[in-house]
Amino acid sequence: QVQLVESGGGVVQPGRSLRLSCEASGFTFSSHAVHWVRQAPGKGLEWVAVIWSDGTSEYSADSVKGRFTISRDNSKNTLYLDMNSLKAEDTALYFCARDSSLEMCPEGVCYILDYWGQGTLVAVSS
Amino acid sequence: DIQLTQSPSSLSASVGDGVTITCRASQSVRTYLNWYQQKPGKAPKLLIYEASSLQSGVPSRFTGSGSGTDFTLSISSLQPEDFATYYCQQSYGAPRTFGQGTKVEIK
Repeated sequence: QVQLVESGGGVVQPGRSLRLSCEASGFTFSSHAVHWVRQAPGKGLEWVAVIWSDGTSEYSADSVKGRFTISRDNSKNTLYLDMNSLKAEDTALYFCARDSSLEMCPEGVCYILDYWGQGTLVAVSS
Repeated sequence: DIQLTQSPSSLSASVGDGVTITCRASQSVRTYLNWYQQKPGKAPKLLIYEASSLQSGVPSRFTGSGSGTDFTLSISSLQPEDFATYYCQQSYGAPRTFGQGTKVEIK
């Protein structure tokens, strides 16, 4: 069965860095784009970033652009999010999610998130 | 950015009731509109994609409809496991945004 397991969250001071990981199993990881989505405590969902199945392209939300970098290692079935210059407003539960990557979608990226991990909590506080 | 506005923000209903949630986009998203269900402390779950396609394994009491700017998610007969928060999401224009959520509570 498809599984996505995030790790790497924790408490970090403002301005510091953190790396999140998401280990995938149960499907051909290299065939799917993958996303990060976050949810601040008691709030709604916010899309953060996406990376193409082969890692050749990535996009991120304006709120994290220039501070967060999404990457992947298909040999390890793992997705990453490198977070720098963290701010209090980055405090959230961070989910990784698989893109359905249906054939008819441009470049195999549909922005339809068909499987999600359980999330890893990042708290930015002094 | 494309704004998605869900209504109502919350509703109370009883087991067996039919309910409808609306999602309105600030500009046309054609049929690139998806619906997710999230239970407390859990990850979101895809219910409907591209406005009306039922995700595999999702009960047929969930239906989606709409195109352009106006969309609905309907649950024909609420079951105890359906009490949750529902989010719409547009997959048409960057950045892909979510609605603010609709919480369905037990009356």
